[in-house]
Amino acid sequence: AQSVSQHNHHVILSEAASLELGCNYSYGGTVNLFWYVQYPGQHLQLLLKYFSGDPLVKGIKGFEAEFIKSKFSFNLRKPSVQWSDTAEYFCAVINQAGTALIFGKGTTLSVSS
Amino acid sequence: KAGVTQTPRYLIKTRGQQVTLSCSPISGHRSVSWYQQTPGQGLQFLFEYFSETQRNKGNFPGRFSGRQFSNSRSEMNVSTLELGDSALYLCASSSDSYEQYFGPGTRLTVT
Repeated sequence: AQSVSQHNHHVILSEAASLELGCNYSYGGTVNLFWYVQYPGQHLQLLLKYFSGDPLVKGIKGFEAEFIKSKFSFNLRKPSVQWSDTAEYFCAVINQAGTALIFGKGTTLSVSS
Repeated sequence: KAGVTQTPRYLIKTRGQQVTLSCSPISGHRSVSWYQQTPGQGLQFLFEYFSETQRNKGNFPGRFSGRQFSNSRSEMNVSTLELGDSALYLCASSSDSYEQYFGPGTRLTVT
């Protein structure tokens, strides 16, 4: 079965620090990958997605992610975090049937000002 | 466009009772998916409906069921509630399942 692993459970950064959150998926075929963010008290929002093409995808709020097929990875990055980036971040892959998102356990990011 | 709406937002039920949660998708979206979010298990897929047909079901007991109406609105039902069913239940809609838009969720507490 497909699975998604997020290696960092809780990341604590100071404002202006760079961010990289790891995500690895298990399926070796064609994948559609996503990063979602859940701000405190808010609903899940799509940050960015990868379906095909350029492996470096840019999302909202200055986030980007790189799809590395050989490493089964889709890491999320941001050059300089802000206090408002404090949230929980989820990596997800669409299942083979294309009908369900399989999520990682999530990474809580805390940014101190 | 209005986003995905879910009702009620909060619910407190007693063990053994049943509960029905409702989801209205974004206008024009025909796919509705349901997820359970808990601190221990994270986000887990429950089921997905497209044009009133269940296309996929996650690994949950038969106490969890759902349906979709002709206007794409969806309901999920949990019968014989257990303490472990306490969770945030999220609904997501999509035009094609690949890019899903989530609602605010229904927080269910079972006592």
